[in-house]
Amino acid sequence: EVQLVESGGGLFQPGGSLRLSCAASGFTFNNHWMSWVRQAPGKGLEWVANIHQDGSEKHYVDSVEGRFTISRDNAKNSLYLQMNSLRADDTAVYYCALVGIVGATTFDYWGQGTLVTVSS
Amino acid sequence: EIVMTQSPATLSVSPGERATLSCRASQSVSNNLAWYQQKPGQAPRLLIYGASTRAPGIPARFSGSGSGTEFTLTISSLQSEDFAVYFCQKYNNWPLTFGGGTKVEIK
Repeated sequence: EVQLVESGGGLFQPGGSLRLSCAASGFTFNNHWMSWVRQAPGKGLEWVANIHQDGSEKHYVDSVEGRFTISRDNAKNSLYLQMNSLRADDTAVYYCALVGIVGATTFDYWGQGTLVTVSS
Repeated sequence: EIVMTQSPATLSVSPGERATLSCRASQSVSNNLAWYQQKPGQAPRLLIYGASTRAPGIPARFSGSGSGTEFTLTISSLQSEDFAVYFCQKYNNWPLTFGGGTKVEIK
């Protein structure tokens, strides 16, 4: 059974930093792209970043480019999101997602999410 | 950037009735279109990919159609567990983008 468990959320100050983690199990982690997707309170879904199986290719939404860094540790079956220069509009539930089980760049399995609140 | 627009924002339907949800892309995405369902307090769930292929374990009452810029998700006979928010997502190129969602509520 695929399991994705996010951690690292909480209350953070504008301009601050944090690192989200996602522990993966139930599938061959190093065979798949992985993603972060976020959802602001009461709003829709926004893709944040994707990372290739071996970490060699990464893509970001424009609004986080240069501030956020996606990474992975295949030996630990873990996905990360380093978030710097936080802004109030980064406040959201952040989901870790497994990409491409069905052969497309879709978010096929999701974690339960971790809430990041950016406020002074 | 390709913008995805969903309509209507809210759809009121009685149980057992048919629901038709629309998703429009500002440029062609071919058939690189997925649909997700999200219930309150839960993560989204993949329903449809490739515009019309059901994901594993998705009931046959869910069907997708369309290509290019116009797409439809149809729920043939709404069950109580189908009242939720539905999002479309295009994946033909970067950035990956979602529509704003359609809330299907009980009439």
